[in-house]
Amino acid sequence: GAVVSQHPSRVICKSGTSVKIECRSLDFQATTMFWYRQFPKQSLMLMATSNEGSKATYEQGVEKDKFLINHASLTLSTLTVTSAHPEDSSFYICSADPTGRSYNEQFFGPGTRLTVL
Amino acid sequence: AQKVTQAQTEISVVEKEDVTLDCVYETRDTTYYLFWYKQPPSGELVFLIRRNSFDEQNEISGRYSWNFQKSTSSFNFTITASQVVDSAVYFCALSEAGGMGSNTGKLIFGQGTTLQVKP
Repeated sequence: GAVVSQHPSRVICKSGTSVKIECRSLDFQATTMFWYRQFPKQSLMLMATSNEGSKATYEQGVEKDKFLINHASLTLSTLTVTSAHPEDSSFYICSADPTGRSYNEQFFGPGTRLTVL
Repeated sequence: AQKVTQAQTEISVVEKEDVTLDCVYETRDTTYYLFWYKQPPSGELVFLIRRNSFDEQNEISGRYSWNFQKSTSSFNFTITASQVVDSAVYFCALSEAGGMGSNTGKLIFGQGTTLQVKP
């Protein structure tokens, strides 16, 4: 149980286009999901906290107009990178926090590797 | 502010050697969670352990063991008799506390330690 999927796993796009990444909790509901970004040989940095039915909370320095997050249901959060540029090329990872669990635990998706040409 | 430090950037060992990955954390919270994750070349994070701040018992799981010491704010990870398949990046992480003793769920990751196990 507790599986999180991401789609697509890999995407290559041209500069200026928008890319949508989906994060799904397959066998549990998640009120809260998190989006992380990881540059090559670096650590994971939290971008934003996605809450079902409300606006996402962005970390300092993350442009909310560039990284649009929608958490429309208890099993799906999407991250849209708008007008992508080469510097947005990175590994994007989502995680989901199961609703109603009494202890802190997140389940991570397999990640999406974005390459902007 | 919370912070996690993994001072070892890269470690290289020969198969069957024991290796310890260090993790030091900073937090003002009394309630928090500590984690270790493994990230193989595929990129997918593999959960290894979660420990809450009130449980200082050391834990052993097969060849893996963890030493949690609140007095030194450390949560070190030891692999005994390392194997080539252990080669990966290992991250230590700290959960951020929210208000009223709850956890926000945010994870603060250390910089990671790249472990290379040579045959």
